Amino acid sequence: AQTVTQSQPEMSVQEAETVTLSCTYDTSENNYYLFWYKQPPSRQMILVIRQEAYKQQNATENRFSVNFQKAAKSFSLKISDSQLGDTAMYFCAFMNYNQGGKLIFGQGTELSVKP
Amino acid sequence: DAGVTQSPTHLIKTRGQQVTLRCSPKSGHDTVSWYQQALGQGPQFIFQYYEEEERQRGNFPDRFSGHQFPNYSSELNVNALLLGDSALYLCASSLRQHTEAFFGQGTRLTVV
Repeated sequence: AQTVTQSQPEMSVQEAETVTLSCTYDTSENNYYLFWYKQPPSRQMILVIRQEAYKQQNATENRFSVNFQKAAKSFSLKISDSQLGDTAMYFCAFMNYNQGGKLIFGQGTELSVKP
Repeated sequence: DAGVTQSPTHLIKTRGQQVTLRCSPKSGHDTVSWYQQALGQGPQFIFQYYEEEERQRGNFPDRFSGHQFPNYSSELNVNALLLGDSALYLCASSLRQHTEAFFGQGTRLTVV
């Protein structure tokens, strides 16, 4: 069975600075996807970034980038130039390609961006 | 373009009762998945519906059941409610099963 672990329950960062959220996962599969989702107080889960396991290049979306280390089963999220609107719960999630649509989430990291 | 919509937004039920939650997927999407998110936890996969059939199921008892209609909307039913069923229930939709999932704002269920 796959598991996802986020070891940082809470983090804080000053506005405009950079912060990195950690995620590790365990799987015996070779074809899978990894995601970072953001959940603000409005509760709606919003996709931040996605990484296909077969791609060696790390995904980037504007101020958000990942460090994907497949051998180490590590998938960290870097947020550059942090903004107040980045304050939210962040969840790392895994999806086995053969179980499309079934997301396995970590416990989450609560990120606070301070002015 | 309407995203994923869920109803109701909040619900209070008594232990032992039954509840039905509803989800309308994003336009063009045909797959609906349901998740349970307990307070302070990550979402847990309940089940997934595609072509009106349950395709995958997580580790949830049979008290949790669902349905998908021809218009792709879906219902989640929970029978014999327990206090531990209190949670945020999230619906996610996607086109087929391997693409990006879009989430609704959830239904907050409180069992008293």
